[in-house]
Amino acid sequence: QVQLQQWGAGLLKPSETLSLTCAVYGGSFSVYYWSWIRQSPEKGLEWIGEINHSGRTNYNPSLKSRVNISIDPPKNQFSLNMSSVTAADAAVYYCARGRKKGDYDTSAFWTWGQGTLIIVSS
Amino acid sequence: DIQMTQSPSSLSASIGDRVTITCRASQGINNYLNWYQQKPGKAPKLLIYGASNLQSGVPSRFSGGGSGTDFTLTITSLQPEDFATYYCQQSYSQKTFGQGTKVEIK
Repeated sequence: QVQLQQWGAGLLKPSETLSLTCAVYGGSFSVYYWSWIRQSPEKGLEWIGEINHSGRTNYNPSLKSRVNISIDPPKNQFSLNMSSVTAADAAVYYCARGRKKGDYDTSAFWTWGQGTLIIVSS
Repeated sequence: DIQMTQSPSSLSASIGDRVTITCRASQGINNYLNWYQQKPGKAPKLLIYGASNLQSGVPSRFSGGGSGTDFTLTITSLQPEDFATYYCQQSYSQKTFGQGTKVEIK
């Protein structure tokens, strides 16, 4: 049974960089895509982007210019960096397990991390 | 972007009621449609994938249908633990979510 545990700084000042990491326990890290999703009262659930074991990424076009998702296969971890945050980036951020590589029929978010509340305040 | 519109935004229902939530995509998405349940303070939980496939461990009172642009999530006999917010999500092009439907106790 796959479990995701995430962590990172929760209080940021405007213009700082958001950094979160998600560790994957159990299951096969190398065969899936791994995503970041955020949720705010204003925008609801918003997919940020995804990465696979090889480092191939896909990003939400609306956030692409500020987002970088990276992966550390030996540690079974992946990370999110979002630069130049503003109050509009305040949300609960989730990591999640996505589809199997090469299998679009499994394209969903199957397992989620516990969420991290990000506050942006000067 | 593909926009996902759910209706209603909220509903009140009683234990044992049959509940149907609708999700409409702004363009055709074949059957790349998933449904999630979220309870306060918790991450969303996958219920239905590929429009009609029940995720393992999800009770059979949940079912999904539709294809193309119009989809439904049905709960045949509402149970106390089903009071939550439900989201649809498309994975045909990028990934986008509906705005949610909150199911409340009547």
